[in-house]
Amino acid sequence: DIVLTQTPLSLSVTPGQPASISCQSSQSLLHSDGRTYLYWYMQKPGQPSQLLIYEVSNRFSGVPDRFSGSGSGTDFTLKISRVEAEDVGVYYCMQCIQLPITFGQGTRLEIK
Amino acid sequence: QVQLVESGGGVVQPGRSLRLSCEASGFTFSSYAMYWVRQTPGKGLEWVAVISYDGSNKYYTDSVQGRLTISRDNSKNTLYLQMNSLRVEDTAVYYCARKRTVGTGKGGFDYWGQGTPVIVSS
Repeated sequence: DIVLTQTPLSLSVTPGQPASISCQSSQSLLHSDGRTYLYWYMQKPGQPSQLLIYEVSNRFSGVPDRFSGSGSGTDFTLKISRVEAEDVGVYYCMQCIQLPITFGQGTRLEIK
Repeated sequence: QVQLVESGGGVVQPGRSLRLSCEASGFTFSSYAMYWVRQTPGKGLEWVAVISYDGSNKYYTDSVQGRLTISRDNSKNTLYLQMNSLRVEDTAVYYCARKRTVGTGKGGFDYWGQGTPVIVSS
């Protein structure tokens, strides 16, 4: 199984400041079809998880442009350019290049 | 808008059965593969099963193979998870999710339901 390791596991950020979350994969997520199957989600208590970024760097519909994704192969980053209060939650990376689909441990973002 | 609403969770004794449902609306259900994912405080998020858009292909994580069965009724826009021989370690919140793209091929999820809790305890 592919193991995804997220760092840090928790983050406390002042509103307006940037935040960055890393996701490292135990295997390359680059498929022979040219796509890299790394996704980012946010989960808020009592709400369905929300897709933020798909295939490393593609922002999902309705996601604010302060969210961006980057990386390649085995190393990926989610960045929030200016954190807002509504960004509080747990962020997960996920790989779907092969079954079983696996997730990172999650990073909890808090506001200072 | 896309909506996924799970139901059927509850408290059940080890060895017993439960059937979860996920009612879909706001999109052409029969065009999308669907997933079940579960979450526990200890193990985090765990993919459970996937079913192709037409129900012809199904895959499971090893720990549920032979006990949990994913199915769908495209005429009712509903996804199911039949859970037999339940174990304490199946205790989790169960989410259904939609594959981001139509048809076959790889892809993650774009929409999730709000989840239904399953507690397996004697």
